[in-house]
Amino acid sequence: EIVLTQSPGTLSLSPGERATLSCRASQSVSSSYLAWYQQKPGQAPRLLIYGASSRATGIPDRFSGSGSGTDFTLTISRLEPEDFAVFYCQQYGTSPATFGQGTKLEIK
Amino acid sequence: QLLLQESGPGLVKPSETLSLTCTVSGDSISSSSYYWGWIRQPPGKGLEWIGSIYYSGSTYYNPSLKSRVTISADTSKNQFSLRLSTVTAADTAVYYCAKTGYCRGGYCYSNSFIDYWGKGTLVTVSS
Repeated sequence: EIVLTQSPGTLSLSPGERATLSCRASQSVSSSYLAWYQQKPGQAPRLLIYGASSRATGIPDRFSGSGSGTDFTLTISRLEPEDFAVFYCQQYGTSPATFGQGTKLEIK
Repeated sequence: QLLLQESGPGLVKPSETLSLTCTVSGDSISSSSYYWGWIRQPPGKGLEWIGSIYYSGSTYYNPSLKSRVTISADTSKNQFSLRLSTVTAADTAVYYCAKTGYCRGGYCYSNSFIDYWGKGTLVTVSS
């Protein structure tokens, strides 16, 4: 199965700053089938990005995804207070679908 | 709007079988071209794909759990279910049901991105 490694494990930033989260795959992700999710405590994950760069319905344009092959990035251009959470990447190009271990974005 | 709701026991004894049901509202699992499935998350840890089912009965299971997992669907009740046998403490997790895939243009994708999730239910394995 494809192993996804997210970095950093924890990112400490202030509202208004730019966040850059990384997801690296152990092998190439087929057709850029890579998604990003945000999860807040006690809640289910929320889909942010699919197909590496397509925003899900209702997701603000400060969230953007990029990358291909084995290296993918989620960027939050200007952090809002409600953005602080744990973020997961997921590849769904090769079965079984797998998730990264998560990046915690915390308020500095 | 599509809604999913998990139900089932919150406590299961070691070596027994975990059973959960997901009730879908807002769409019919037998008329939509979607796969329905289960994902779990141990406390404080990441997410793991368990498996998916199409209304026709076609299933996909994560190879790491395949020997212990059964996913079934009851189209008359618009529900699908998870059974995980011979559980241990390592199976303690929040279990989510979700819309996990789709069929389009003659191709089916049992593992896809997930845009609809249930709220999740915590299942603890303990004697």
